[in-house]
Amino acid sequence: QLVLTQSPSASASLGASVKLTCTLSSELYRYAIAWHQQQPDKGPRFLILINSDGSRIRGDGIPDRFSGSTSGAERYLTISSLQSEDEADYYCQTWATGNYVFGTGTKVTVL
Amino acid sequence: QVQLQESGPGLVKPSQTLSLTCTVSGGSINSGNYYWSWIRQPAGKGLEWIGRIHFSGSTSYNPSLKSRVTMSVDTSRNQFSLMLSSVTAADTAVYYCARDIDGGGYWPWYFDLWGRGTRVTVSS
Repeated sequence: QLVLTQSPSASASLGASVKLTCTLSSELYRYAIAWHQQQPDKGPRFLILINSDGSRIRGDGIPDRFSGSTSGAERYLTISSLQSEDEADYYCQTWATGNYVFGTGTKVTVL
Repeated sequence: QVQLQESGPGLVKPSQTLSLTCTVSGGSINSGNYYWSWIRQPAGKGLEWIGRIHFSGSTSYNPSLKSRVTMSVDTSRNQFSLMLSSVTAADTAVYYCARDIDGGGYWPWYFDLWGRGTRVTVSS
């Protein structure tokens, strides 16, 4: 089964860092993913691509506070120097067997 | 700067057909590098891909919705559309249009541009 699993929530203080995890099911473990941010009552925004070898590409205009990394079947999004506008839902996404797969989403709260 | 804008009725009766249009501005829908997708999000829930279309008319749909989905493209108006038939309350959601870009094999297909979404309620 093609599944991307995310923790439901994460929180950190203003100015701190937070690391989000997207865990790929065994069929997907070598896949690259995209991270998208969805601020309250807004459409999602593409942030970054992360591949299984650690390579990554940020979207246009995305600050380098948003970074990605990988370890095995896990793909990470780290947000540094947290700002209030980073409070949002974050979704990972990939493309497999002719279908898009979304993660379950992580809600980030800035304390 | 390319922008996407969804439009359509905000209220649809059960068993009827939901119809939405996405208008692409600031760029052409006639690009071989892109597909154009519909994605929805029920209140408080995650994202679900509905289907996508190329400017040539080539489509692919989520198998779970395929029997009820039809997508079309109007290149003269720089628009693409979604029709979802036999709707029920379970189809109540915010519907987004998005631009799919081919990662080129090394990267997956992904959405590099999203609309702001339009809320559709299915109710009598």
